[in-house]
Amino acid sequence: AQSVTQLDSQVPVFEEAPVELRCNYSSSVSVYLFWYVQYPNQGLQLLLKYLSGSTLVKGINGFEAEFNKSQTSFHLRKPSVHISDTAEYFCAVSALPSNTGKLIFGQGTTLQVKP
Amino acid sequence: DAGVIQSPRHEVTEMGQEVTLRCKPISGHDYLFWYRQTMMRGLELLIYFNNNVPIDDSGMPEDRFSAKMPNASFSTLKIQPSEPRDSAVYFCASSPPDGNEQFFGPGTRLTVL
Repeated sequence: AQSVTQLDSQVPVFEEAPVELRCNYSSSVSVYLFWYVQYPNQGLQLLLKYLSGSTLVKGINGFEAEFNKSQTSFHLRKPSVHISDTAEYFCAVSALPSNTGKLIFGQGTTLQVKP
Repeated sequence: DAGVIQSPRHEVTEMGQEVTLRCKPISGHDYLFWYRQTMMRGLELLIYFNNNVPIDDSGMPEDRFSAKMPNASFSTLKIQPSEPRDSAVYFCASSPPDGNEQFFGPGTRLTVL
């Protein structure tokens, strides 16, 4: 079975500062990894995903994440945040090799960008 | 493509009433997922379908909940009878055959009084 732990429930940060949202996972098999963003009163939207290849993955809105297999982590980073990045961020995993499309989500991290 | 479509967007009902939530997945997607989101429990997978067949319904909380997918373009989640603790946002998501990304609908906010 897989599990996902997002280490921070809330991350306050000032506009234009860098940010890192932490995600650790547990799995006995290889996984695909995802970050989703949820803006207020909206559904989830994919930010980026790691399937294979380069461990540094770039996504939309200037976000990137690095897959670290030895530390079982997939932390999300942005060098300079904007007010519009205020949202809930979810890390998720799906198991390989029988990828059924089922995702296991973390509890979410609320990013609060202050002016 | 219009994306995943859910209706209604908001539903307010009284305890004991039947509630039906509807979802139209993205054309060509053969996975469909129903989630529930609350402050206390976060995002929970209730059930998912592959090619209209329920694959895993272990997340369905009780027999009061049922889901169907009569064809590739429509699914329903029904709660009968509804209870105040069912109040939540219910999301539908669909995924293409490779299953590498889920596309979420805007959600239905359900309030049971």
